[in-house]
Amino acid sequence: DIQMTQSPSTLSASVGDRVTITCRASQTISTWLAWYQQKPGKAPKLLIYKASTLENEVPSRFSGSGSGTEFTLTISSLQPDDFATYYCQQYDGAPYTFGQGTKLEIK
Amino acid sequence: QVQLVESGGGVVQPGRSLRLSCAASGFTFSSYPMHWVRQAPGKGLEWVAVITYDGTNKYYADSVKVRFTISRDNSKNTLYLQMNSLTPGDTAVYYCARDMVPAAMTVFDAFDVWGQGTMVTVSA
Repeated sequence: DIQMTQSPSTLSASVGDRVTITCRASQTISTWLAWYQQKPGKAPKLLIYKASTLENEVPSRFSGSGSGTEFTLTISSLQPDDFATYYCQQYDGAPYTFGQGTKLEIK
Repeated sequence: QVQLVESGGGVVQPGRSLRLSCAASGFTFSSYPMHWVRQAPGKGLEWVAVITYDGTNKYYADSVKVRFTISRDNSKNTLYLQMNSLTPGDTAVYYCARDMVPAAMTVFDAFDVWGQGTMVTVSA
């Protein structure tokens, strides 16, 4: 199975900050990577797929990059609505594993 | 609007069975592969299973293989998850999710539509 490791596990930041979350795959997955945002008690929401393609209606302050085994999610200027938990997921092959999550907290 | 609504969760004793349903609306359900994903309380996301648009191919996580069965009824726009021999480790919110690429048979994609989830608690 492909293991996905996110860092950091928790990130404290302020409104307006630029933040980056990293996701590493245990083997190459090309660009078969998605990022999801989840708020407490809610379902995950797709933000980015194919490593860097923004899902419809997702604000442009979100961006993704990377290929192979290392990927990043960047939020260019944090907004109050962005404080949530973020997960990466590989879909190179089953089982479609997720990272452990990064909780983005208000500093 | 595009929507997925899960049902069937509840409290069940270890060793018993439960069947979850996921009702789809607002899109051509029969064209899309569908997934189940679960999340134990306070934990991360775990992919459970996928079924192709026509029900031909099914793939499972090792943790549920043999015990769980994914199925669908395209005439009813409904996805199912039959869960047998449940253990406390199966306690989680179960989400159904749509694969974003129609008609995929063996290579799947990101999950672009999610239901609100249904809670399954396995406890004596």
